[in-house]
Amino acid sequence: DQQVKQNSPSLSVQEGRISILNCDYTNSMFDYFLWYKKYPAEGPTFLISISSIKDKNEDGRFTVFLNKSAKHLSLHIVPSQPGDSAVYFCAASGIGNQFYFGTGTSLTVIP
Amino acid sequence: DAGITQSPRHKVTETGTPVTLRCHQTENHRYMYWYRQDPGHGLRLIHYSYGVKDTDKGEVSDGYSVSRSKTEDFLLTLESATSSQTSVYFCAISEGDSINQPQHFGDGTRLSIL
Repeated sequence: DQQVKQNSPSLSVQEGRISILNCDYTNSMFDYFLWYKKYPAEGPTFLISISSIKDKNEDGRFTVFLNKSAKHLSLHIVPSQPGDSAVYFCAASGIGNQFYFGTGTSLTVIP
Repeated sequence: DAGITQSPRHKVTETGTPVTLRCHQTENHRYMYWYRQDPGHGLRLIHYSYGVKDTDKGEVSDGYSVSRSKTEDFLLTLESATSSQTSVYFCAISEGDSINQPQHFGDGTRLSIL
């Protein structure tokens, strides 16, 4: 059973607008979360992380929000750029345990 | 560039044949991982290693074995390949002394088993 879910397989956004990618998890023991970006024919690239002691982490245009009570995290990209078009994966782990990945959301930023 | 090389990048083989995929790192990191990526499943951990000759299973380890005789190399072997093992395989490495650190991935091996 999928412990980390990304329920939107795809998302299209106009250049300059905000992209919001969502991720839900089921295991309450998860306490560390990552977002990866993947271009075709390449491996995933680490973007940003957040631990459960925080509810927000920001790095440039990328911000991750964590809502522990809802078991939900989201990645905001502002402003979106055409180069952000890629597949985005969220991943979650508990202390000392492996990461579990979501199925990915394909983001298209329209110029 | 995370200094990870996977070989081969593409392979087509037949059911029942043995297959070995290689991952080579230049970073001297302790932790190395093998994942498979399939539609509808995201990335799933097959096996990982936390040092030379130290390996452990991930969530989808059945049908796979691994070996790590040197810090820089982590091999994934399919002893008798099946069509269900057709997938894209990614190797990853991470810094530090824990499995739950951000990982850096190679560019993948596309394996087709006919």
